[in-house]
Amino acid sequence: GAVVSQHPSWVICKSGTSVKIECRSLDFQATTMFWYRQFPKQSLMLMATSNEGSKATYEQGVEKDKFLINHASLTLSTLTVTSAHPEDSSFYICSARAPDLARYGYTFGSGTRLTVV
Amino acid sequence: DQQVKQNSPSLSVQEGRISILNCDYTNSMFDYFLWYKKYPAEGPTFLISISSIKDKNEDGRFTVFLNKSAKHLSLHIVPSQPGDSAVYFCAAANTGGFKTIFGAGTRLFVKA
Repeated sequence: GAVVSQHPSWVICKSGTSVKIECRSLDFQATTMFWYRQFPKQSLMLMATSNEGSKATYEQGVEKDKFLINHASLTLSTLTVTSAHPEDSSFYICSARAPDLARYGYTFGSGTRLTVV
Repeated sequence: DQQVKQNSPSLSVQEGRISILNCDYTNSMFDYFLWYKKYPAEGPTFLISISSIKDKNEDGRFTVFLNKSAKHLSLHIVPSQPGDSAVYFCAAANTGGFKTIFGAGTRLFVKA
């Protein structure tokens, strides 16, 4: 299979604190992972591409210092929302390209609901 | 700049009939296209994909058609079932650059 595990599934944090979200590929290696954000009733917006062993590539308009991405191993990428504010509250989802693209596509984690209070 | 467009925000279909979900893209660099089904507060679930070298791919009740000249693809679900009710996202990728761009989604309602 091609399973991506994302943790935590939901988190509530206080404004000004930082939150780390983990994305793991469980049964395959992923040199590249992707982080998306979804606002209510809107599409998935690509935030950044996480590359193992190198710097992430951020999409236009995404603050690099706000959303820190680390891809330290072939099975783990992390997204840290630094100094979170209420406007950062959203649904964050990671994905990775499965080895068998035709069968599994780009496989997604189950998402993390972040609420900043 | 919306590179992937799903112009119908919602679609309602009777159970047993065909559901046709449409998607248009603008970037000719895309060479792989995917359809996902998504429920609220969950990650998208992969349904079916198609490479740009093909014009049709079928998997059970799901068929994806690709018209490269028109930069258009569609997902056909037949027969539609109430359990198919969800939001469907079309996605386009460039397998060389690994980037996947999603459309805005179409909410499908299948009425019993």
